[in-house]
Amino acid sequence: AQRVTQPEKLLSVFKGAPVELKCNYSYSGSPELFWYVQYSRQRLQLLLRHISRESIKGFTADLNKGETSFHLKKPFAQEEDSAMYYCALSGIQGAQKLVFGQGTRLTINP
Amino acid sequence: DAGVTQSPTHLIKTRGQQVTLRCSPKSGHDTVSWYQQALGQGPQFIFQYYEEEERQRGNFPDRFSGHQFPNYSSELNVNALLLGDSALYLCASSLYRVYTEAFFGQGTRLTVV
Repeated sequence: AQRVTQPEKLLSVFKGAPVELKCNYSYSGSPELFWYVQYSRQRLQLLLRHISRESIKGFTADLNKGETSFHLKKPFAQEEDSAMYYCALSGIQGAQKLVFGQGTRLTINP
Repeated sequence: DAGVTQSPTHLIKTRGQQVTLRCSPKSGHDTVSWYQQALGQGPQFIFQYYEEEERQRGNFPDRFSGHQFPNYSSELNVNALLLGDSALYLCASSLYRVYTEAFFGQGTRLTVV
């Protein structure tokens, strides 16, 4: 079964503090993992994709196949990081369906 | 490029009625996927269209059907609406044969009363 679990519905941290949003997955095979973000009143958009190994807006995520995790991290949170974050997975070829977690609402306090 | 556009933005229907939602993909994209997002949940995959055919389908009943037109735009139809069909319906476009970032529309908020 394909499943994505985000254990925290809500996460609140202070500006300048480190942030870690947790994501665990189950998938038979080698999936692609993604983090999507939805800022207030904006559409869902891709933040980063594990295969790109990029750092976007200071966020990074490492795929740990042993622990089947893909946690999102940022060393110093900024107020503009407040948003809804979704972890998602898909198959690796072409246009595959995305399986989303239930999301974590991140609030950065000043 | 307007990106992915969906219409209408909001809709209220009565139980038992039928509804049609529309989506225009991002310019250059040939594949449209539809998702249902219930309140407090992540998006759930309904189905995907490419070359005017349904290519993948999620765990949704046959009341949910779709169509893709030659210009790649797509419709989602839901028959015999239930209260539980109330949700945000998202459309995403991409390319079928090579990985491309899936671009999402703003969604259609459907309320069934």
